[in-house]
Amino acid sequence: AQSVTQLGSHVSVSEGALVLLRCNYSSSVPPYLFWYVQYPNQGLQLLLKYTTGATLVKGINGFEAEFKKSETSFHLTKPSAHMSDAAEYFCAVRFGGYTSGTYKYIFGTGTRLKVLA
Amino acid sequence: GAVVSQHPSWVICKSGTSVKIECRSLDFQATTMFWYRQFPKQSLMLMATSNEGSKATYEQGVEKDKFLINHASLTLSTLTVTSAHPEDSSFYICSASPRDLQETQYFGPGTRLLVL
Repeated sequence: AQSVTQLGSHVSVSEGALVLLRCNYSSSVPPYLFWYVQYPNQGLQLLLKYTTGATLVKGINGFEAEFKKSETSFHLTKPSAHMSDAAEYFCAVRFGGYTSGTYKYIFGTGTRLKVLA
Repeated sequence: GAVVSQHPSWVICKSGTSVKIECRSLDFQATTMFWYRQFPKQSLMLMATSNEGSKATYEQGVEKDKFLINHASLTLSTLTVTSAHPEDSSFYICSASPRDLQETQYFGPGTRLLVL
């Protein structure tokens, strides 16, 4: 079955420390992969995505993620955490075909990032 | 950038009434729109996928007669919660995928529904 797993529902890091949020998926074919950030009572904002090509993807706010097919992972990292990074982060995977109506998105359970001063 | 709006952002209604939530893509044509439901401190649960001009595809366990979805045009989709009950209280989020960038979905800000 298709699934998305985010290890760690809560992650705390010190300001300036490395941020690492984990995401693994199960799929028989390489899917499209996404990371979103959600601030309280708001919708989701796209941080970055992987569709094809270079496996290291850079996104907004200094975040990046690397698609590792052999590990079926798409972990999100940021070298130095900032207080404003505190939010909920969701990994999402698009499964299915490539034409409208043939695919759907599955979201991980989310990781709440806390940044300590 | 691509903007998706939702209206209303907040709605409080009495049990038994129906509530309509609008989702609009403001600066692009959306061939596909998605409706999600998010419970407090939980992930997004896909409710249904709607393609312009065709009936919505509902996920397993989602009552299509309870949650009516209409994708009337390339910029508008509506979700109507019929005969709402307190257990329908939730945060409803829509997203839209542009015709020329279908691997991307842009999210609306969400609508918080409280049924009394």
